Amino acid sequence: NAGVTQTPKFQVLKTGQSMTLQCAQDMNHEYMSWYRQDPGMGLRLIHYSVGAGITDQGEVPNGYNVSRSTTEDFPLRLLSAAPSQTSVYFCASSYGGQGAGEQYFGPGTRLTVT
Amino acid sequence: GIQVEQSPPDLILQEGANSTLRCNFSDSVNNLQWFHQNPWGQLINLFYIPSGTKQNGRLSATTVATERYSLLYISSSQTTDSGVYFCAVRASGTYKYIFGTGTRLKVLA
Repeated sequence: NAGVTQTPKFQVLKTGQSMTLQCAQDMNHEYMSWYRQDPGMGLRLIHYSVGAGITDQGEVPNGYNVSRSTTEDFPLRLLSAAPSQTSVYFCASSYGGQGAGEQYFGPGTRLTVT
Repeated sequence: GIQVEQSPPDLILQEGANSTLRCNFSDSVNNLQWFHQNPWGQLINLFYIPSGTKQNGRLSATTVATERYSLLYISSSQTTDSGVYFCAVRASGTYKYIFGTGTRLKVLA
């Protein structure tokens, strides 16, 4: 199993550009989530999904969209990038549809917005 | 929403020393995990421990859910233990995981 994979590893955007961060898992986990980690800080939940077709907002959802058309994939879209979105983005998954069970994290995507 | 506090915020140890990291949370939880974020930024699962006690080598953890805290014990610390330790909880009745602010550990050779 590859576990949780994220692409790209690094990305530089200009203010106003849009992009999609990719996240995939091959463990048939129902629950998937996106976090951002700013320098010297803990992780904050952006959006999460309890199963295909079901998503909801976390602590810091503004400026981000998600969708979950398959169990395996959970892409995160930045609609119009801003310097405040410069951060490291982590995707995670766990087997329980309600967030039960152990979460496994991907390696992260380091995003810089200039 | 639930508040998660970790202490101490920073810790410096000599190699071989023992330490205890604490995670306090403000509401009842269904899930609790401890992670180690290494200097390269990778998040490593240490324990999934919504209640009770677990041990894995030099590390052990205890969660007392009724008193709303969890402890992570590191014995005979090594330089490779350096990094940031996070606890993350999922409050009862929610689907959201909330992370604590972390304990930054540096182990000196």
